[in-house]
Amino acid sequence: QSVLTQPPSASGTPGQRVTISCSGSSSNIGTNSVNWYQQFPGTAPKLLIYSNNQRPSGVPDRFSGSKSGTSASLAIGGLQSEDEADYYCAAWDDTLSDVVFGGGTKLTVL
Amino acid sequence: QLQLQESGPGLAKPSETLSLTCTVSGGSISSGSYYWGWIRQPPREGLEWIGSIHYSGNTYYKPSLKSRVTISVDTSKYQLSLKLYSVTAADTAVYYCARHLLSGNGAFDIWGQGTLVTVSS
Repeated sequence: QSVLTQPPSASGTPGQRVTISCSGSSSNIGTNSVNWYQQFPGTAPKLLIYSNNQRPSGVPDRFSGSKSGTSASLAIGGLQSEDEADYYCAAWDDTLSDVVFGGGTKLTVL
Repeated sequence: QLQLQESGPGLAKPSETLSLTCTVSGGSISSGSYYWGWIRQPPREGLEWIGSIHYSGNTYYKPSLKSRVTISVDTSKYQLSLKLYSVTAADTAVYYCARHLLSGNGAFDIWGQGTLVTVSS
């Protein structure tokens, strides 16, 4: 059972906008930055969003992040087939003194 | 650009010690802003942080693993190391090293490719 809760799966058709949620608590998302990672099968995760809503250089602006209270969301606009991957949220937890990850969301592009 | 590469045995026996090394190239391991972390991912499961170290030697460990883990850094070799003691099958995973902005936003911004370690007799 992950400390951060994500839906196990999400899907959309090309061109659609998809949102993946990440629910936490006051000791993690409520207090600290949320980061998002994208992972393709057999490869290392890649930082997609940091500090709740910032994109590293090279990440398309179709990807955006937001945070409100103890929840965060990753939005992917103009969905493309190459966006099919696993997505993970993560944050520091002040109570656990631990980096906590969500269980991951498998995005399928129909 | 900065690259990280994990290396070490792909097989460990139950009750023994898992030892891995991460070599940093294309940049400094002694940057004051960053920690260097280890993250693992069991087959078909999610990501789990193990711990992170600053070049000064300051370390943070996942509380549930703290009694079995040692992370160290050798700045002269641009390497960080992971030792996980008394391993069981539950420690079978792909192990990644990554640069960790622990004192900032907490992001792991550059990752190694990962190395699979199987715990089996």
